[in-house]
Amino acid sequence: DAGVIQSPRHEVTEMGQEVTLRCKPISGHDYLFWYRQTMMRGLELLIYFNNNVPIDDSGMPEDRFSAKMPNASFSTLKIQPSEPRDSAVYFCASSPDRGIGTDTQYFGPGTRLTVL
Amino acid sequence: KQEVTQIPAALSVPEGENLVLNCSFTDSAIYNLQWFRQDPGKGLTSLLLIQSSQREQTSGRLNASLDKSSGRSTLYIAASQPGDSATYLCAVGLYSSASKIIFGSGTRLSIRP
Repeated sequence: DAGVIQSPRHEVTEMGQEVTLRCKPISGHDYLFWYRQTMMRGLELLIYFNNNVPIDDSGMPEDRFSAKMPNASFSTLKIQPSEPRDSAVYFCASSPDRGIGTDTQYFGPGTRLTVL
Repeated sequence: KQEVTQIPAALSVPEGENLVLNCSFTDSAIYNLQWFRQDPGKGLTSLLLIQSSQREQTSGRLNASLDKSSGRSTLYIAASQPGDSATYLCAVGLYSSASKIIFGSGTRLSIRP
């Protein structure tokens, strides 16, 4: 398996623009997670899905952020409108189990977002 | 609220030394604890996962211990090599909220040749 795939790897946009980040989890994994990493706040869980259903979105910073998982092999994280403080590295991860117990999460390479 | 702390934030040691990275957490009700490695510009890779009922896990030159009662974990790296240079993150799986992992801020490790 190719692992978790994220696109784009880098995104530079201007404030106010819509940004869409994409993720393809490892085939057969039931759980998908979106994280944001910044120097100030470290790695934060934004939202996670189980079998394509959002389970916990309490980490989503505000209404400008939305995430979808239309099928088992694809998820998007959208920011509309984007702001400079959204600049961060966004990671997608997937897990074959609940992410606890014996199973770990497998991380993608991340998308580095810069909002000017 | 679970908080995970890693000290020191950065560490530089000469090649060949044994070293210990520290992690502490505030709530002992955890499902598991993991140590991840992150290389610059890359994602995270899980190194070791310790179940809440376990005391330690070993993989090659790495040994991770867990003391739930004191809220502490250590990652021991034996005979360090320049290739071990990376950021090491400790992450706690919450008992109260399935699948959530809370990460520490990491220790940036540099091994000098």
